[in-house]
Formats: sequence, C-alpha cells, structure tokens
Amino acid sequence: DAGVIQSPRHEVTEMGQEVTLRCKPISGHNSLFWYRQTMMRGLELLIYFNNNVPIDDSGMPEDRFSAKMPNASFSTLKIQPSEPRDSAVYFCASSLQPDTQYFGPGTRLTVL
Amino acid sequence: RKEVEQDPGPFNVPEGATVAFNCTYSNSASQSFFWYRQDCRKEPKLLMSVYSSGNEDGRFTAQLNRASQYISLLIRDSKLSDSATYLCVPASGGSNYKLTFGKGTLLTVNP
Repeated sequence: DAGVIQSPRHEVTEMGQEVTLRCKPISGHNSLFWYRQTMMRGLELLIYFNNNVPIDDSGMPEDRFSAKMPNASFSTLKIQPSEPRDSAVYFCASSLQPDTQYFGPGTRLTVL
Repeated sequence: RKEVEQDPGPFNVPEGATVAFNCTYSNSASQSFFWYRQDCRKEPKLLMSVYSSGNEDGRFTAQLNRASQYISLLIRDSKLSDSATYLCVPASGGSNYKLTFGKGTLLTVNP
C-alpha cells in the first residue's frame, strides 16, 4: 500500500515567493496533520484536520501560513510570502486513530 | 520547563550492548505515550506505544511512570540498524491527536 505522499520533496525559493506544499494521505485515513521540523525547535504540529475540517490550527506560526483540505485525498500548506526563517522540513502525517500517525517523507524547504 | 525533555546524546555503543533512554514530560493531561525513531533525513516512524504496565516488543522494552511523568526505552542486543534518533512522544487532546515530540536521543551502534 502507498504511504503518505508529499510533493515536492525539495523546494528552494527566494524570500517573498509563494510556496505550496502538497500531501496525499493514506487512503481511508480520516485525520491529517502538518508538522514542521527544525534543529532549534524540533518537530512541531502546525495544523490538524479531521474529516477534512481543521480542528486545531494553533500551531500555525502566523498569517503567512495557510492550509486547506478540499477533499479526503489531498491537502496543501501554503506560505505567502516566504521568509528565510521558514526553512525547515515539513512533514504531513495521516491516521485512522488520531494518536497513531504515519508520516510522509517530508518536503525540505529552503528559502534564500 | 520544556514539554518533553530527553538526553540528546549521542549514545555510542557497540553491537550487542544494552542501552536505555529516558524522557520526562510536563503535561499531566497526556493520555497516550509513544516512542518514535527517526533515521537521518527520513520521516519519524512509530516504534512502539508505551503502557502503564510496561510493554515489550522483541528487543525493545518501554516503561511509563505516570506519577513521575517519566518514560523509558530499553534496547537489548543492539544492532547496527538500531542507529537512529529516538523520540519520546506523549499525546494529549481529544482522541490524543496532539503528539508532542521531544528533540530526541541520537544512538549510534558501532560494529
């Protein structure tokens, strides 16, 4: 079975540009999570969707970040405008039981 | 106080050694507990859940002390393939969706 799919795997962009990260959860999973991982802060939850509805977005850093889940098989995380401090690895995870999460391979974002 | 505290290591051990990792958490509302492992430049993967009574999965044993808010992981007979970062993860929130990751303990098993 396919796991969580994320694209792109690597993204290099310049400050001020819009960045869109994509995630396809495991089929049949009803929960989706976006995380960010940096050396300084570790792995942090950004937003949690259940049945395509955002339940907890308290981890979203600021208004420059937005996430959507238009259907059960697709989610996006958008950063507009991007800043160098947004450089990190962004993981998407999905689950059937919210506490048993399966992570995608991540998108490594570099903002110059 | 940090939400999850772990010794960052690194722990360098020879193959066959027994190694133990400890973790403390601050959120007393945490209901579920896990250990994840993360290989270099890879995603975190669930290693095992941690139950109050303690549980074992092959060479891995996990313990939870709710009173002390302390979690441990013991690895026996270390293999080269055990080299990774081990993340302590208490969960809270409705249905325990909110995983709070420690920064992890780096383990290197040497031949």
